Amino acid sequence: IAGITQAPTSQILAAGRRMTLRCTQDMRHNAMYWYRQDLGLGLRLIHYSNTAGTTGKGEVPDGYSVSRANTDDFPLTLASAVPSQTSVYFCASSDSKMGGNEQFFGPGTRLTVL
Amino acid sequence: GQNIDQPTEMTATEGAIVQINCTYQTSGFNGLFWYQQHAGEAPTFLSYNVLDGLEEKGRFSSFLSRSKGYSYLLLKELQMKDSASYLCAPMDSNYQLIWGAGTKLIIKP
Repeated sequence: IAGITQAPTSQILAAGRRMTLRCTQDMRHNAMYWYRQDLGLGLRLIHYSNTAGTTGKGEVPDGYSVSRANTDDFPLTLASAVPSQTSVYFCASSDSKMGGNEQFFGPGTRLTVL
Repeated sequence: GQNIDQPTEMTATEGAIVQINCTYQTSGFNGLFWYQQHAGEAPTFLSYNVLDGLEEKGRFSSFLSRSKGYSYLLLKELQMKDSASYLCAPMDSNYQLIWGAGTKLIIKP
């Protein structure tokens, strides 16, 4: 059982390019999340999905989009990358969004936008 | 607004005990999580408190006081592998985790 995987591990991207970060979980979790983590700041929620077919905006959604066509996959797309999107991106999942359900994290994608 | 406050960095000695404090202000409350994050790795779950009091899990314990907006993580018998960042994350009324910047714990021999 892999748990939750992300691809790519790292990426250097030219500003203005489109990029999709992939996230797949095999735990049949209903809820999935995308966070970014920047030095000195806490994890910030970009988008989330409480169940397949639904998505919602988090704290910092601008410049990002997501889709949740099925339970397992939750890709994050940067339509036109900007240098301020340089960050480490973590995908996470939980059985449900309700309290007490721990979030399991993928290994992260380190993205550099030049 | 929502706010999490925890020390930026702490240093402790191998074999000792350390307490990492966290104070929070959130819109509603649905429990509080502690996560451990080693450098360059993903966060991993340590504990969850929803009621006041102490939850013990091996060498790690977590305490919550909802009326004070306060939690702490207690690590006993410190080992070198405990060198990591510890993230405090209360859950708000929308069931979203509000993450602190984390406390970097440095363990010295």
